[in-house]
Amino acid sequence: QQPVQSPQAVILREGEDAVINCSSSKALYSVHWYRQKHGEAPVFLMILLKGGEQKGHDKISASFNEKKQQSSLYLTASQLSYSGTYFCGTEGVFGNTGKLIFGQGTTLQVKP
Amino acid sequence: EPEVTQTPSHQVTQMGQEVILRCVPISNHLYFYWYRQILGQKVEFLVSFYNNEISEKSEIFDDQFSVERPDGSNFTLKIRSTKLEDSAMYFCARLEQTGVAFFGQGTRLTVV
Repeated sequence: QQPVQSPQAVILREGEDAVINCSSSKALYSVHWYRQKHGEAPVFLMILLKGGEQKGHDKISASFNEKKQQSSLYLTASQLSYSGTYFCGTEGVFGNTGKLIFGQGTTLQVKP
Repeated sequence: EPEVTQTPSHQVTQMGQEVILRCVPISNHLYFYWYRQILGQKVEFLVSFYNNEISEKSEIFDDQFSVERPDGSNFTLKIRSTKLEDSAMYFCARLEQTGVAFFGQGTRLTVV
């Protein structure tokens, strides 16, 4: 069963913040976040393992609430290069197999 | 960024024809995956391949699909009799020890 992402689309001005959510009805081992530009492959952003950790690099961070089976991706002070479609990919509780079930994606557009 | 190389980048084929998509890892990995992305939609898991055997496959991966590693290096996805609905981007991915899946640049398959 695929995770559900919200919102479906976001339009921001440069410098604004955004939050993208990923929710699963099943227990999760890990959540992976990817960004995809039009016509390109998904690019890995970060992985969160069960344990409720929060990760981040630069101005992009994410959290994973294992009990709620939810993850959120935080984009702060957005840049034009952040535009693209963001996918969360989830691994079930017997995870660490690398098999990811992806959400439907959230399209982010950053305008000058 | 570590990647796998996929060939061809674009393949146009007639309905009913067989196609072979290739994935060349940059180093000797054991875990490989094929994913599919129909235009404008989410990334979908097709099959995982571990130690030269299929370890898991999705409902999409029916008898028309097969995977193999014929020479111990290249990793191939074969579609025996293509249908119009097979038109999509096909991504090969490999699993790092960290649990992160890195995607190749993809092959765009167009069935006419």
